[in-house]
Amino acid sequence: DGGITQSPKYLFRKEGQNVTLSCEQNLNHDAMYWYRQDPGQGLRLIYYSQIVNDFQKGDIAEGYSVSREKKESFPLTVTSAQKNPTAFYLCAVGQGVGDTQYFGPGTRLTVL
Amino acid sequence: KNEVEQSPQNLTAQEGEFITINCSYSVGISALHWLQQHPGGGIVSLFMLSSGKKKHGRLIATINIQEKHSSLHITASHPRDSAVYICAVLRGGSNYKLTFGKGTLLTVNP
Repeated sequence: DGGITQSPKYLFRKEGQNVTLSCEQNLNHDAMYWYRQDPGQGLRLIYYSQIVNDFQKGDIAEGYSVSREKKESFPLTVTSAQKNPTAFYLCAVGQGVGDTQYFGPGTRLTVL
Repeated sequence: KNEVEQSPQNLTAQEGEFITINCSYSVGISALHWLQQHPGGGIVSLFMLSSGKKKHGRLIATINIQEKHSSLHITASHPRDSAVYICAVLRGGSNYKLTFGKGTLLTVNP
């Protein structure tokens, strides 16, 4: 079964706790991205990675961290430093510059 | 002002109607994407354009680079087309980074 997996679909955490969102792909694509979606706003880029062991900050990286130890995996940690973490988080993958990006099903994080 | 503007924000149509969603952008781009997001949240890529026109089934996307404008058309609309349609641009010279519009919520009534 090919594609992009994000788990869990819904996640609840208490304020002040770090939480890690998973993103796994078996499309063999080099580039992976994390986006955040808030009501009434366009998607915003948090972090992206073009290759294993390398990643760059996007437009709203503060309070988030990532790793890219394997081509297939790009986990996102939402730290307690993120002021407003409740949002819908989407992972995407792509082959190269300007290429189509394929999106995972998303994780809806609610911080109580 | 946002770099990517979509209109309308909300659109309600009757089944069978011809739908047009517009996207204007203010920066130089190398490509433009149209995406579809269903109520469950999943996003599907519909088109990637750098010039001209593309067609897939009942969907047609056009782009005018000189006017910095793109349109997404849906012919013979159906209730299953109800979704949020999102325009995103890849800025010229940018590596991998897309800038997204806020989306157009389309509701097609039977």
